[in-house]
Amino acid sequence: GAGVSQSPSNKVTEKGKDVELRCDPISGHTALYWYRQSLGQGLEFLIYFQGNSAPDKSGLPSDRFSAERTGGSVSTLTIQRTQQEDSAVYLCASSLNQYQPQHFGDGTRLSIL
Amino acid sequence: AQTVTQSQPEMSVQEAETVTLSCTYDTSENNYYLFWYKQPPSRQMILVIRQEAYKQQNATENRFSVNFQKAAKSFSLKISDSQLGDTAMYFCAYQETSGSRLTFGEGTQLTVNP
Repeated sequence: GAGVSQSPSNKVTEKGKDVELRCDPISGHTALYWYRQSLGQGLEFLIYFQGNSAPDKSGLPSDRFSAERTGGSVSTLTIQRTQQEDSAVYLCASSLNQYQPQHFGDGTRLSIL
Repeated sequence: AQTVTQSQPEMSVQEAETVTLSCTYDTSENNYYLFWYKQPPSRQMILVIRQEAYKQQNATENRFSVNFQKAAKSFSLKISDSQLGDTAMYFCAYQETSGSRLTFGEGTQLTVNP
């Protein structure tokens, strides 16, 4: 079946704008994760969903970052009032449940001008 | 907090030879999972191999095998018969058995030369 799908693949926006990143997990996967990959910080965990609830959102770097998941499927990561330090690749992963290996999408490369 | 360390930022190997990538980690847990992921220039993180800490037997997947030393908190990846397509960034990762987040190392850029 299809893998984890992320859109857009690339996003360029101006500082101060809001952006929404989308993740379509593998069908039937109940667990969904967001990570951020940047040159200076490596791979950082952002948030974890089990179904529609987020038992661990401790990795969100500021209150400008939020995420939701609806219908136990699609998730959106929203960044408000973007800053240049938000420039990074945002990776989404899903797994059958929290005990199974995570499968990643191709990521969204976000560039803040 | 758990930490994962990969001390080799870059490595290279000749095609058909064997290479070993190193990883150490720190945890106070007795049971956990360890992973190696591969990230080619396409950006997608691809699962290479998974080890469950309570299993003493080292995991293998075709040309990929691990040397898991629990007491030393060491988890190295051996790639046999290296192929050009193995060129990628390799990340070691740790996960508690309760699930949730992966904690990644800094990565090792592996180049396979023809």
